[in-house]
Amino acid sequence: TQLLEQSPQFLSIQEGENLTVYCNSSSVFSSLQWYRQEPGEGPVLLVTVVTGGEVKKLKRLTFQFGDARKDSSLHITAAQPGDTGLYLCAGPSYNTDKLIFGTGTRLQVFP
Amino acid sequence: SQTIHQWPATLVQPVGSPLSLECTVEGTSNPNLYWYRQAAGRGLQLLFYSVGIGQISSEVPQNLSASRPQDRQFILSSKKLLLSDSGFYLCAWNADRVVRRELFFGEGSRLTVL
Repeated sequence: TQLLEQSPQFLSIQEGENLTVYCNSSSVFSSLQWYRQEPGEGPVLLVTVVTGGEVKKLKRLTFQFGDARKDSSLHITAAQPGDTGLYLCAGPSYNTDKLIFGTGTRLQVFP
Repeated sequence: SQTIHQWPATLVQPVGSPLSLECTVEGTSNPNLYWYRQAAGRGLQLLFYSVGIGQISSEVPQNLSASRPQDRQFILSSKKLLLSDSGFYLCAWNADRVVRRELFFGEGSRLTVL
């Protein structure tokens, strides 16, 4: 069974701080995606990482795919209140049409 | 461009009443369609998914059902709601035969069963 564990589960920080969220598995994934969900809305795709060791940047957000394609991280520099939300990683199941979601990290950034 | 809509956005229903949530996708054909449920502040639980008209796969045994009467329409139903059916329901789609299976979600429907 392919599982994705995220850590930390909750994170509360002050505006301007840096943070890193982790997404780990014992299984290899062909790619991993990151979504952000704001309260009362559906998740929105932020990025997909495909190649082992790949690093992608989206403004103040940096995403990395592990060399072995079993893990990924999301680093936010100088967090802002607008970064508040639930961050979900996800990867395609290797033998079905489904996407496997991580357990989620809830981020709260205080002004 | 592709869009996805689901409704109603908010629903308050008594225990034992029926349920119908609808989802439609525009701007694409033969999408894969999904229904997820999300407990407060937590991750996503896949309920049903469909790769074509009339083709429904159920992930969780429960008193909910899904139907896909048209290519871009997906409906979540229940004949008799339970208190445990309360939650945030999300419809999503992705393109058929896309390996990465990136999902695009609707706005969500919040169901409260009293």
